[in-house]
Amino acid sequence: NAGVMQNPRHLVRRRGQEARLRCSPMKGHSHVYWYRQLPEEGLKFMVYLQKENIIDESGMPKERFSAEFPKEGPSILRIQQVVRGDSAAYFCASSEEMNTEAFFGQGTRLTVV
Amino acid sequence: AQTVTQSQPEMSVQEAETVTLSCTYDTSESNYYLFWYKQPPSRQMILVIRQEAYKQQNATENRFSVNFQKAAKSFSLKISDSQLGDTAMYFCALSGNQGGKLIFGQGTELSVKP
Repeated sequence: NAGVMQNPRHLVRRRGQEARLRCSPMKGHSHVYWYRQLPEEGLKFMVYLQKENIIDESGMPKERFSAEFPKEGPSILRIQQVVRGDSAAYFCASSEEMNTEAFFGQGTRLTVV
Repeated sequence: AQTVTQSQPEMSVQEAETVTLSCTYDTSESNYYLFWYKQPPSRQMILVIRQEAYKQQNATENRFSVNFQKAAKSFSLKISDSQLGDTAMYFCALSGNQGGKLIFGQGTELSVKP
């Protein structure tokens, strides 16, 4: 059973471009969580999704950021018109149920130049 | 609001010695879970140990144990017989359940020296 898979591992974007980060949860997991880790900081919760539904987006910036978890395929975190401040490591975690252990992917490091 | 505070940005310990990492938290939830995660240079987040708040007994996983003081809202991690592979960032985290919506502290960077 493969773990949580995130790709790409590294992503470089110029200011103003779009960034798409993908997360494939563990097999059998239908709950996905996205986190952002700025340099020298801990992880900050962004959004919690269950198949086709956004359950909690209290940590998402109001503009330029969106997330989806379609019925088929990976969860996508999309950042439009990236700025230098978006440079960070973005982690995805998945769990089987809302109240069961979550497992983390290895993260995507986004660099905006 | 829920908060987690780690007041030690960096710690170091000699190999085979014992080290304790501190964590305090605040929550208004009646039941909650506390976690310690390890993040080595590979950046992978690895669950080290978990404590359910309604359990009085301190959790233990091999060389890792916690000192959970519920009244003081303190949750420290003790690493015994430190090994070079323990070198990593350690994050304390809080959740209202065992699931994935976690509030993380700022982290403590632990260096184990030979």
